[in-house]
Formats: sequence, structure tokens, C-alpha cells
Amino acid sequence: QQQVKQSPQSLIVQKGGISIINCAYENTAFDYFPWYQQFPGKGPALLIAIRPDVSEKKEGRFTISFNKSAKQFSLHIMDSQPGDSATYFCAASSHDYKLSFGAGTTVTVRA
Amino acid sequence: EPEVTQTPSHQVTQMGQEVILRCVPISNHLYFYWYRQILGQKVEFLVSFYNNEISEKSEIFDDQFSVERPDGSNFTLKIRSTKLEDSAMYFCASRGQRSNTGELFFGEGSRLTVL
Repeated sequence: QQQVKQSPQSLIVQKGGISIINCAYENTAFDYFPWYQQFPGKGPALLIAIRPDVSEKKEGRFTISFNKSAKQFSLHIMDSQPGDSATYFCAASSHDYKLSFGAGTTVTVRA
Repeated sequence: EPEVTQTPSHQVTQMGQEVILRCVPISNHLYFYWYRQILGQKVEFLVSFYNNEISEKSEIFDDQFSVERPDGSNFTLKIRSTKLEDSAMYFCASRGQRSNTGELFFGEGSRLTVL
């Protein structure tokens, strides 16, 4: 059972553009939704996270939008930079913080 | 900045051999995890560990796998008899003392290649 579905698989954006990655989940017990950034050869690093009591969270150029009724959440990267080129994983967990990861989105920012 | 460290960074082994992957979690963390990532695929949960025992394990974590915290600092993953399909990047992660602290800190991973 794929608990977290992520799309698109990859995207290319021009420098300064907006990258949008979408995720949907099935388990209504999930109450923690982080996004991880992974560079080649490195481990995932927490980028930003949200809990279902808010609909949006912004940290710098990164924003999570959360729709509890639709069981969907998304990551927006504003003013995308070449250094943002990486693979992004959405994830979800309940109180045990056992993360279920999405399949990942490879973002390429063209200068 | 504190970090999770993993050794070895890459291990090549023959099918059927035992492998031990080592992790040093962040020093004041109490919750420990192993995840794996097969090349090009998503990160998958293997096992969580708290208070010197397994909290939860996935279907992947069968009898060939075991974890141990032998000395209060290291956290190890042992694969008793490796199979070709065990080839993957294995990530150790740890989490802080407060039970409601969600952030998992991941190590850089150990790449296991089974021939």
C-alpha cells in the first residue's frame, strides 16, 4: 500500500521560477508532514514540516500548503535557484514519527 | 552542528556474507531508526529503536536483520546473510529526547553492494 503519493517525478524550472511538488496521503492518522531535501550522495535533510492544525507554513522561499479535507499537501519553492537542484521527498507520520516517504521529485533549476 | 555519522560509506560483499553497518547518532538523542533506499527509489522504513529495544519494524526487516546499541553510542544494523536485493543505501537517523520533536536527523548513508 502506497501511503504517500508524490508528483511529478521530475521537473525543470528556470532560475527565478516557482517549483511546485504535490503529495497526497491516505492514512488519516498522519499528523506530521515534513519535506526532505536530498543531494546526490547525501542523506535526506529536513527542509520544512507542517502539522494539520495549520493550512500553510512558510520558511524563506519554501512554503508548504496543506489541505486536510483533501488529504493533500504541497511544497512551493519560490525564486528557484540552481542550488535548489536536488531530490525532494514528502513524508508523513503519526505520533511514532515512523516516516512514510513519497517517491521523490528531482528538481533541476536551469540558470 | 551535531550530526549522525555512519560507517562504512561503501561496502561491497559477497552474497551470503554477514554485514554490519555502524551509526553514531546525535549524542542526546533517544530514538533511532534505520531506513534504506534502493537506487532510484524512495526511502523505506526498516526499524525504529527506543530504550534498548525495537519499537517497530517493517516487513522488510525479517529474521536476517538485527539491530543493536552495544555501548551507548553506536547503533548497528546487521544483515546475517546478504542477498542481492539487499543492495541499497542504508540510512541511520535519530530523533531528540522530546517525544513530540518530529525532526529526524539522517546520516549520509552506507552504500551496500551485494555481488
